[in-house]
Amino acid sequence: SQQGEEDPQALSIQEGENATMNCSYKTSINNLQWYRQNSGRGLVHLILIRSNEREKHSGRLRVTLDTSKKSSSLLITASRAADTASYFCATEPVRAGGTSYGKLTFGQGTILTVHP
Amino acid sequence: DAGVTQSPTHLIKTRGQQVTLRCSPKSGHDTVSWYQQALGQGPQFIFQYYEEEERQRGNFPDRFSGHQFPNYSSELNVNALLLGDSALYLCASSLYYEQYFGPGTRLTVT
Repeated sequence: SQQGEEDPQALSIQEGENATMNCSYKTSINNLQWYRQNSGRGLVHLILIRSNEREKHSGRLRVTLDTSKKSSSLLITASRAADTASYFCATEPVRAGGTSYGKLTFGQGTILTVHP
Repeated sequence: DAGVTQSPTHLIKTRGQQVTLRCSPKSGHDTVSWYQQALGQGPQFIFQYYEEEERQRGNFPDRFSGHQFPNYSSELNVNALLLGDSALYLCASSLYYEQYFGPGTRLTVT
């Protein structure tokens, strides 16, 4: 079953604009990760945010995490046509005893289209 | 440094047949996870191998089995293929939290 739910399902913007994607999840997590996938190929890891972090930056990417609302957002600033892809959030749940072995649960993804 | 590799890239099988997919992890990684991604969906966790044993399993039937070798490479086997097994099968390797995905194997069952 899918724990993460991305919103919107699809997003179409012009080059240079910012793109914001949201993710909600259901259970307690150790961390939340964002991935990009181009045309049904392998996933590329973008950024990982731990449950005790609230915000993280990587280049043009900014991720926030609100564990009280069980939600996260991914902001891509100054988007480029090359950013066109599907974006997925994935959560790593807390296991009994507090350990986690990297069983990721993915949402259905947001399809981002950036028009040149 | 080679990333995660998977073989074959594409595969067409008939219902009822068996298939084996292969994965070589990123250098230095000791854990391999397998995911199934149906068209238009996010990946779903099948199972994870660590120290040559299945450490975790998702909600997949016993027709899905795997193996990890001493060099950390892994195989995914699917028996008695169904049309619904058609999907992109992704392998991911990790050492700690970040998982690195391979390009996937596209399996079509006819």
